[in-house]
Amino acid sequence: GNSVTQMEGPVTLSEEAFLTINCTYTATGYPSLFWYVQYPGEGLQLLLKATKADDKGSNKGFEATYRKETTSFHLEKGSVQVSDSAVYFCAPRQTGANNLFFGTGTRLTVIP
Amino acid sequence: KAGVTQTPRYLIKTRGQQVTLSCSPISGHRSVSWYQQTPGQGLQFLFEYFSETQRNKGNFPGRFSGRQFSNSRSEMNVSTLELGDSALYLCASSFGQQNTGELFFGEGSRLTVL
Repeated sequence: GNSVTQMEGPVTLSEEAFLTINCTYTATGYPSLFWYVQYPGEGLQLLLKATKADDKGSNKGFEATYRKETTSFHLEKGSVQVSDSAVYFCAPRQTGANNLFFGTGTRLTVIP
Repeated sequence: KAGVTQTPRYLIKTRGQQVTLSCSPISGHRSVSWYQQTPGQGLQFLFEYFSETQRNKGNFPGRFSGRQFSNSRSEMNVSTLELGDSALYLCASSFGQQNTGELFFGEGSRLTVL
């Protein structure tokens, strides 16, 4: 079946530190891959996406590359800011459908 | 343009009652999906409606149901509430293409069951 394994949190980093949040998945076919972010008190927002192997999604300094051979979609940012404090969700789309299946989320706290 | 609107934002019910949550999608979007978010289980897919038809369904008991109207607005209903139904219920809308396309989420309806 479909499943997502996401790096356990919480993660606490100092401002300007490098961020990696690991995500691997199990799915049939080659699903589109998404990272969503949930800021405190808000709904989920799309952070970035990749729809085929070797695609790199990027937004707001965050990047993730669709690695078909390792079924991974790790999220990275070179220099985090306090405003990046949020919960991050890795979410492949179910192949042949319109719904996403989510990881457990990783809470990131960035301290000044 | 307006985003996804969910009402009510907060509500408190007691065990055995039922609840109806509403979702208005972004204008032009024909697909509405519902998710349950809890600290223990994370985000779990409930069901998706497209053009008034349920197109996909997650692994939830029959107490959870939904529908979609001709204007694409959707409601979900939970009957015979249990304590474990306490959660944030998120609605997401999209144009409805399968395999691709972004889902846009509302801020959620937070249900507390006492």
